[in-house]
Amino acid sequence: GEDVEQSLFLSVREGDSSVINCTYTDSSSTYLYWYKQEPGAGLQLLTYIFSNMDMKQDQRLTVLLNKKDKHLSLRIADTQTGDSAIYFCAVLTGTASKLTFGTGTRLQVTL
Amino acid sequence: DTAVSQTPKYLVTQMGNDKSIKCEQNLGHDTMYWYKQDSKKFLKIMFSYNNKELIINETVPNRFSPKSPDKAHLNLHINSLELGDSAVYFCASSPLTTGPIEFFGPGTRLTVL
Repeated sequence: GEDVEQSLFLSVREGDSSVINCTYTDSSSTYLYWYKQEPGAGLQLLTYIFSNMDMKQDQRLTVLLNKKDKHLSLRIADTQTGDSAIYFCAVLTGTASKLTFGTGTRLQVTL
Repeated sequence: DTAVSQTPKYLVTQMGNDKSIKCEQNLGHDTMYWYKQDSKKFLKIMFSYNNKELIINETVPNRFSPKSPDKAHLNLHINSLELGDSAVYFCASSPLTTGPIEFFGPGTRLTVL
């Protein structure tokens, strides 16, 4: 089955850029997503990229996809304290909508 | 208006009991899901229904039985609860069986004592 890995923790200073990385194993993945989970809350879809794209930008968010290395990253520009949360990458594979989530990266934003 | 709602938000119960979690979506979506998030925040799909039909059933113990009375509801019934069932359960919906799952419910935190 699909394995999706992320580093567990990232700490950045307010105003800096954050880069959260994700690796996956199934090269037939079609869509790749980033979700945000704030404490005690559900998951919020931030952005997603189709597998035939290399990059997608959406305001402060930039998603980069390296299909050859099966590596996905999320860059948050000008990180704010409100960005503190757990960020999950998720990969869609197969004809049924089986979404495999990464282990989650806890982003801590310090002043 | 809440897009995907779950009840209850918190559920504390004894081992061996039977409990249900309800999920409703008002988005007109065809596909609904149940995900389990354990204490380490790992999220795994349990079930997926499309138009009331089961399309994904991961290796979940048969003590867990989803029920979809109509397209807008997907309830989760759990028999003979065990300590290891303690987790946060998220319901979700999407318009298609492929593509992003945009809407997750707020989660139900189940604690089995």
